[in-house]
Order: sequence, then structure tokens, then C-alpha cells
Amino acid sequence: GAGVSQSPSNKVTEKGKDVELRCDPISGHTALYWYRQSLGQGLEFLIYFQGNSAPDKSGLPSDRFSAERTGGSVSTLTIQRTQQEDSAVYLCASSLSATENTEAFFGQGTRLTVV
Amino acid sequence: EDQVTQSPEALRLQEGESSSLNCSYTVSGLRGLFWYRQDPGKGPEFLFTLYSAGEEKEKERLKATLTKKESFLHITAPKPEDSATYLCAAAGGSYIPTFGRGTSLIVHP
Repeated sequence: GAGVSQSPSNKVTEKGKDVELRCDPISGHTALYWYRQSLGQGLEFLIYFQGNSAPDKSGLPSDRFSAERTGGSVSTLTIQRTQQEDSAVYLCASSLSATENTEAFFGQGTRLTVV
Repeated sequence: EDQVTQSPEALRLQEGESSSLNCSYTVSGLRGLFWYRQDPGKGPEFLFTLYSAGEEKEKERLKATLTKKESFLHITAPKPEDSATYLCAAAGGSYIPTFGRGTSLIVHP
């Protein structure tokens, strides 16, 4: 596609429910990144993929968070048993290649609110 | 651990009043220094990539420069539409861009 697409754009969920956030990267981009942005905070790295592999999962806040990428394209970030502190904007970005460090292009984000 | 610090946190300018935003970084083996613009409720929009000390890039009223320890985003004769949060990120040996907290810029007409 023309840009990085994220869905849903907004999600309100009850505490304890599971949620899935989707990211569709720019066609041909092999690297995909997930970040989280809380109000007034910087972008917090969560995980990145090079192809379908996730070389670095160190940013995932807890074992309730997981992510996968299939076919070197779409990625899903899953949060199980959501907590109020999970409320944030989840941003996805893609780049041509992580190892070449080309610039990353971001989607519009998914605003998650846990009530 | 890679670190990126941006200053000031907030900046208010009058239209036409030039200024600079600072981004200090500590990254082992810098592979790229990135500047983004973020408008409220939107994802960051890519502006520039700088790879080596001494490099400069320009786009309209913005110019980004890079030294071995910091980067500056110079804004010349800003307009109200330049109001946004400007984010800096640095990527080193881990290949993961580490972001600063940003500088919130408001340009008054």
C-alpha cells in the first residue's frame, strides 16, 4: 500500500480482555517496528521484525504482550488480560531493511483505552 | 544502552523568529540519526536522516545538522503551520531507533 496502515484506529476494551492490533506495512519493506506512546512520554520500543523473525523482543513490557508477523507482511500485536496501564497509542513503522537503517515510516497508530 | 535527549521540552516562537532544537545522543556505532514531525493525534512523519558528522540536510524552512554527539534542527523564519512536536531518534549497533521525548514547538502568528 501507499503507507503503513493500522487498525483499529481506536479501541476501548474492558480490563482483563484480550486485544489484537494490526499493522500492514509498506509493500516491500522487510523491517517492521512496534512502539508505544503514552501521554507526555516518548516512543517506547516494543519489538521489531526483520522478515518474519523477531531478533529483539526485549522491549515487550510483560509476557501478556506478544507479536507475530506472517508472510513478511502483516503483523499483529496481541495484549492478553489488558490492564489500565496498557492504555496508550500503539504505533507501527516499517522500513526497507533494519540492517541498512533506512528511515522508518509510521502509521497513524491505534489508541487503546482500557476501562 | 542507547540514549537520546532532546531540548528544550517546549518552545514558543513568534512567526519569523528563527531558533534551533537540540538532540543529544549516546549510541554505540551510529548508523543513522532521524528527525520526525508529529502532529496531535497522528503518527510521526519522517523528515530527515543523517548518517555522519558534518552532514546537513534541508527541507523548506528546516535544516538538520549532525556532530559526533548531537544534532540540531534549525527552523528559519517559522510559520504557524510549523507548530508540532519534533522527535529525534538514533539507531546504533542494535538497529533499533531510540527516540527522545520530543520538543513541542508552538509558533504564534
